[in-house]
Amino acid sequence: DTAVSQTPKYLVTQMGNDKSIKCEQNLGHDTMYWYKQDSKKFLKIMFSYNNKELIINETVPNRFSPKSPDKAHLNLHINSLELGDSAVYFCASQSVGGGPPYGYTFGSGTRLTVV
Amino acid sequence: AQTVTQSQPEMSVQEAETVTLSCTYDTSESDYYLFWYKQPPSRQMILVIRQEAYKQQNATENRFSVNFQKAAKSFSLKISDSQLGDAAMYFCAHIRPGAGSYQLTFGKGTKLSVIP
Repeated sequence: DTAVSQTPKYLVTQMGNDKSIKCEQNLGHDTMYWYKQDSKKFLKIMFSYNNKELIINETVPNRFSPKSPDKAHLNLHINSLELGDSAVYFCASQSVGGGPPYGYTFGSGTRLTVV
Repeated sequence: AQTVTQSQPEMSVQEAETVTLSCTYDTSESDYYLFWYKQPPSRQMILVIRQEAYKQQNATENRFSVNFQKAAKSFSLKISDSQLGDAAMYFCAHIRPGAGSYQLTFGKGTKLSVIP
């Protein structure tokens, strides 16, 4: 079974459209993240949720809205897509309640291409 | 603010040889964790090795080992007996527990090529 699964793996869409990326983890972790990896491979945090509660909201356009219906799911909805939104988006989960080592388990990423 | 610096955008190594990837970080905390992640062309992020700052002993995982110099805030990754499958982007990352977020801060990565 996949520990952190993201869907879809690839997403090609036109400017101005609205799209969602879904993420689910079956590890029982209490914290989930969204990271954006740009064309230069730099990974930057976007959002963090702990037990459905928003913990981190970095400087991200408000066109991006995360939603966590339960602690196993963290979805990312993007409105009015722009060319600059093209990137790979990673979901990750982490157990912070059980002590170290606090490393992440990543999903396989979603490559979003806006044309 | 925490920063992680990887000064080598690209490195190459001959198959079966040893290569060291550099990483420095900036933190004012005494308790933290450091990680190396590997991202092959499949783009999957794979945890290679982790180091607890309170441990003086350098972490080792098979052919992968680290040289952790806490005073110098240096955390280099040594790959021994390099294999073709080691070709990937390698990211150094830092985390500070107890800050309320536990977020990983990544360096910009080093692209490692393995020459047959």
